Amino acid sequence: QVQLVQSGGGVVQPGRSLRLSCAASGFSFSSYALHWVRQAPGKGLEWVAFISYDGTNKYYAESVKGRFTVSRDNSNNTLYLQMDSLRPEDRAVYYCARDPHWRMTGETRGDFWGQGTLVTVSS
Amino acid sequence: QSVLTQPPSVSGAPGQRVTISCTGSSSNIGAGYDVHWYQQLPGTAPKLHIYGYRNRPSGVPDRFSGFKSDTSVSLVISGLQAEDEADYYCQSYDSSLSGWVFGGGTKLTVL
Repeated sequence: QVQLVQSGGGVVQPGRSLRLSCAASGFSFSSYALHWVRQAPGKGLEWVAFISYDGTNKYYAESVKGRFTVSRDNSNNTLYLQMDSLRPEDRAVYYCARDPHWRMTGETRGDFWGQGTLVTVSS
Repeated sequence: QSVLTQPPSVSGAPGQRVTISCTGSSSNIGAGYDVHWYQQLPGTAPKLHIYGYRNRPSGVPDRFSGFKSDTSVSLVISGLQAEDEADYYCQSYDSSLSGWVFGGGTKLTVL
């Protein structure tokens, strides 16, 4: 069965960095695009980033552009989100999600999601 | 402020039917991009419940239906059950953002 297991969350000071991981199993990881989505406490869902099946295409929300970097290791079936220059407003539960397509399309969606990991940015 | 617009809350008694609407603009729903619906139970990750306006993933009860007309998109839940109490989000693709956009979420309360 498809599984996305996340790790790497925690408490970090403003301006510091953190890297999230999302380990996949149960499907052909290198054939699927992936997304990161976050949810601030008590708030709705916010899309953060996208990476195509081979890592050549990446897109970011304006709120994180230039600070966050999405990457993937297809040999180890793992997705990453490198978060630099963290701000208090980045505090959220971060989810990874699999897209049933290999690239961004008009049908893009998340068919399987990780369990989420909490990132807290506080001094 | 979410790009897609949903009512903040809806409610209904067990067995009743409720509708959750989702409206967008010319760069997302109006451009013909697919709309999907997620159910999020308290403290859990979102779960895809309807994709491509009206398709149900395996395991989703047929009480959940998606509809699209010329002017609107909606999620209809028939025969409400207590276990349906959750937050529901619509999602589409936005060409101006090159990514996903979500509605603000609708909290469904089963009375």
